[in-house]
Amino acid sequence: GAGVSQSPRYKVAKRGQDVALRCDPISGHVSLFWYQQALGQGPEFLTYFQNEAQLDKSGLPSDRFFAERPEGSVSTLKIQRTQQEDSAVYLCASSLALWGDGQYFGPGTRLTVT
Amino acid sequence: GDSVTQMEGPVTLSEEACLTINCTYTATGYPSLFWYVQYPGEGLQLLLKATKADDKGSNKGFEATYRKETTSFHLEKGSVQVSDSAVYFCALSSTGNQFYFGTGTSLTVIP
Repeated sequence: GAGVSQSPRYKVAKRGQDVALRCDPISGHVSLFWYQQALGQGPEFLTYFQNEAQLDKSGLPSDRFFAERPEGSVSTLKIQRTQQEDSAVYLCASSLALWGDGQYFGPGTRLTVT
Repeated sequence: GDSVTQMEGPVTLSEEACLTINCTYTATGYPSLFWYVQYPGEGLQLLLKATKADDKGSNKGFEATYRKETTSFHLEKGSVQVSDSAVYFCALSSTGNQFYFGTGTSLTVIP
């Protein structure tokens, strides 16, 4: 495929609702990352997958956040019982290899919790 | 822990002016260093990278040199264009598992 795609691009949720954000990485990319970017800030790491294995989830802010990548390709970030502080842009990135490689970012999903 | 500190913006320059955006880092081990750019309405794009001390990354007229002695990776361009208007992020990765980004520096170039 062309690049990393994410859907939906925009999501408005009422507080307390569950949301699911999808990421389609570049075909063949082993590594996949999720980030949260608040307005005016840099991306903050949430979690990392190598193929289907979630190797690092230390950045997930609470147990309401859950990510999966069951077949080592598409990934879903789920947020349960959304809160207003979850409003942010959620970025997905993928890379072919680990060390020294930059990442290719998707356009992000802007989540607004009302 | 690992972190990146970059120059706060916004920065406004006239076309053809020189640009420097400062970035310093704190890291364990020997991180790889990156500059990403985010053009208005678009996602982050890798601009350049350097993986070891004294390496110089370059792309689209931008350069940055990995300086271990000053723990810096300043972004420079000799003559900016209006099309360079964007937000620039410095980032590092020590392990490959986690990437740490600065807060971003907004650049506006006026004709």
